[in-house]
Amino acid sequence: DGGITQSPKYLFRKEGQNVTLSCEQNLNHDAMYWYRQDPGQGLRLIYYSQIVNDFQKGDIAEGYSVSREKKESFPLTVTSAQKNPTAFYLCASSETSSYNSPLHFGNGTRLTVT
Amino acid sequence: KNQVEQSPQSLIILEGKNCTLQCNYTVSPFSNLRWYKQDTGRGPVSLTIMTFSENTKSNGRYTATLDADTKQSSLHITASQLSDSASYICVVTGTNAGKSTFGDGTTLTVKP
Repeated sequence: DGGITQSPKYLFRKEGQNVTLSCEQNLNHDAMYWYRQDPGQGLRLIYYSQIVNDFQKGDIAEGYSVSREKKESFPLTVTSAQKNPTAFYLCASSETSSYNSPLHFGNGTRLTVT
Repeated sequence: KNQVEQSPQSLIILEGKNCTLQCNYTVSPFSNLRWYKQDTGRGPVSLTIMTFSENTKSNGRYTATLDADTKQSSLHITASQLSDSASYICVVTGTNAGKSTFGDGTTLTVKP
């Protein structure tokens, strides 16, 4: 089955530690995205990548970093500089970065930082 | 600033009843509007996509409408089922930036 796999589903970390969230897709999509979802709020774009070895900041990139070394993988690192990291993180991909290309989402990682 | 506003914020209906969710947007120039269903703890799944020239699109018991002149869309759910309980998210994409603007979602609860 083609799809997007995010792992782990739940992640707990102490304040001050960096943590990396995994996102893998086997859809052969060029574009990949990371969103953050907080209760009662719309998804907000953290970073996106239109092609391998290239990525751009989204609306709330501060305190996050990404890499895109392989087409199928787009890991997100939440650094200690992120002031409020506890949230539900969603990874998505699309065939291209064109506005007509629909987003396919993974099932998310819920990060709790205490 | 591009905005997408959804109403109501939450809705409770009885199984078998119909309901309509609303989405108003200011994104311009407009490319497309999508409705997604998000079950608790899961990622959103696309229900419908509508472009400027489309007024109505159906997907089983889900029917979406679009009025591009008034910048309004609705999602009508017919003969609701318990499995329809979820958050429904309206997403509007413009042609300029190519990035999508997400509404805050409507949380639907279907009770037996």
